[in-house]
Amino acid sequence: GENVEQHPSTLSVQEGDSAVIKCTYSDSASNYFPWYKQELGKGPQLIIDIRSNVGEKKDQRIAVTLNKTAKHFSLHITETQPEDSAVYFCAATLSGSARQLTFGSGTQLTVLP
Amino acid sequence: NAGVTQTPKFRVLKTGQSMTLLCAQDMNHEYMYWYRQDPGMGLRLIHYSVGEGTTAKGEVPDGYNVSRLKKQNFLLGLESAAPSQTSVYFCASSSQRGGQQTQYFGPGTRLLVL
Repeated sequence: GENVEQHPSTLSVQEGDSAVIKCTYSDSASNYFPWYKQELGKGPQLIIDIRSNVGEKKDQRIAVTLNKTAKHFSLHITETQPEDSAVYFCAATLSGSARQLTFGSGTQLTVLP
Repeated sequence: NAGVTQTPKFRVLKTGQSMTLLCAQDMNHEYMYWYRQDPGMGLRLIHYSVGEGTTAKGEVPDGYNVSRLKKQNFLLGLESAAPSQTSVYFCASSSQRGGQQTQYFGPGTRLLVL
């Protein structure tokens, strides 16, 4: 089955700086890669996603890049703010697989004021 | 819309006791999922359902059973709870429609098995 590795497990940045979280996946057939943000005591919430036919996607301060050849994808957050502090999860799935997601182990992002 | 709701929010069980976690969604989604979240391990899929009356095993199904008698509800049962089942349980749902792959998560149920 699919295996997703995520690094780093913890990340601290100064407010206004950028943060980058990286994930690798094992199944070359995976074609959908969402990123979820989980705030303390809440369920994960989708913040951005990318499909395998696209190399990069941006949404305001958040961007995701995908390298299919190397089987890795990354989350980029620019101009970080204290409210960006949360746990971020990457995931991968196969189209037609009942949307089963395989998650990375998570990154605790702390934005220092 | 309430989205995905879960009951209860928190529960303490003794080893060997049984309980059922309830998940409900009001988005008319076909797919529903149960995950458990443990420190440092992300979310792992327990069971899932692609429609009313159907269920399938995920990555870590042992010790759990599920039922989907109604489209909007997905129940997770623990017949004989063990301390290893102490975790936070999340339910999620998603649409079957092509291109709609977002999974929407509930707020979670914290379970402590003593």
